[in-house]
Amino acid sequence: ETGVTQSPTHLIKTRGQQVTLRCSSQSGHNTVSWYQQALGQGPQFIFQYYREEENGRGNFPPRFSGLQFPNYSSELNVNALELDDSALYLCASSRDRASYNEQFFGPGTRLTVL
Amino acid sequence: DAKTTQPPSMDCAEGRAANLPCNHSTISGNEYVYWYRQIHSQGPQYIIHGLKNNETNEMASLIITEDRKSSTLILPHATLRDTAVYYCIVRPQGGSEKLVFGKGTKLTVNP
Repeated sequence: ETGVTQSPTHLIKTRGQQVTLRCSSQSGHNTVSWYQQALGQGPQFIFQYYREEENGRGNFPPRFSGLQFPNYSSELNVNALELDDSALYLCASSRDRASYNEQFFGPGTRLTVL
Repeated sequence: DAKTTQPPSMDCAEGRAANLPCNHSTISGNEYVYWYRQIHSQGPQYIIHGLKNNETNEMASLIITEDRKSSTLILPHATLRDTAVYYCIVRPQGGSEKLVFGKGTKLTVNP
C-alpha cells in the first residue's frame, strides 16, 4: 500500500505567477483534502474533493482551485500568486467522506513566492 | 476557528510519560476528539481519536473526561522521536471531513 505523495517538494515562484501542485492519494482512498500551513501556524483547510467533485471549501479566494481525477489523484492550482501564499501545502487522503476515517497526509510542497 | 485550547509548549524527559492536555469546552455531543502530530518538515500524522470512552492504541492513550470538556493524550514512554507539534482537534461528524487545526502543543522530549 503506497502512501500519499506530493510533487514538487519545493517550488519558487514570483508574485503574479500561477502554480500547480500535485497529490497522489493513498491506494483505496477516494477523498483528497488540501491544506495551507503558514510558518508557525497549524494547517488551514482549503477544500476537499470526493469522487472528482468539490465537497467543502474553507475561507480561501477563488484563485485557489482544484481538480480530482478518475484515479483520485488531485491538483491544487493557485493563480495570481501573492507573497502571503508562501506556505507548506499539504494534501491528505481518506477512504471516504465519513468522519470516522482518519486522514493520511503527504509530506507537503513548500511554496515560496518572491 | 479551532474549538480547542492547548498549551503552546511542553517538555518531557525521555522514557517518561508525556501527558498533553486539551480543552474543548464547547464540544457537541456527536463530535469526536482527534489527535494528530507533526514532526518537523513532515505532514501531520494521525495518532488516535475518541468520542467519550478512553481509547488506547500502539501509539498512545486518550483520556476524555466524563463531561467531554477536556482530554489528555498520553505517550507512555516518550522517546526523542516523539518530539513534534501535537494537535488536538474536535471533528464534526458527517459532511466534509475538514480538520480545523489550532497551533498545537510543541512537545520537546529531552535526553
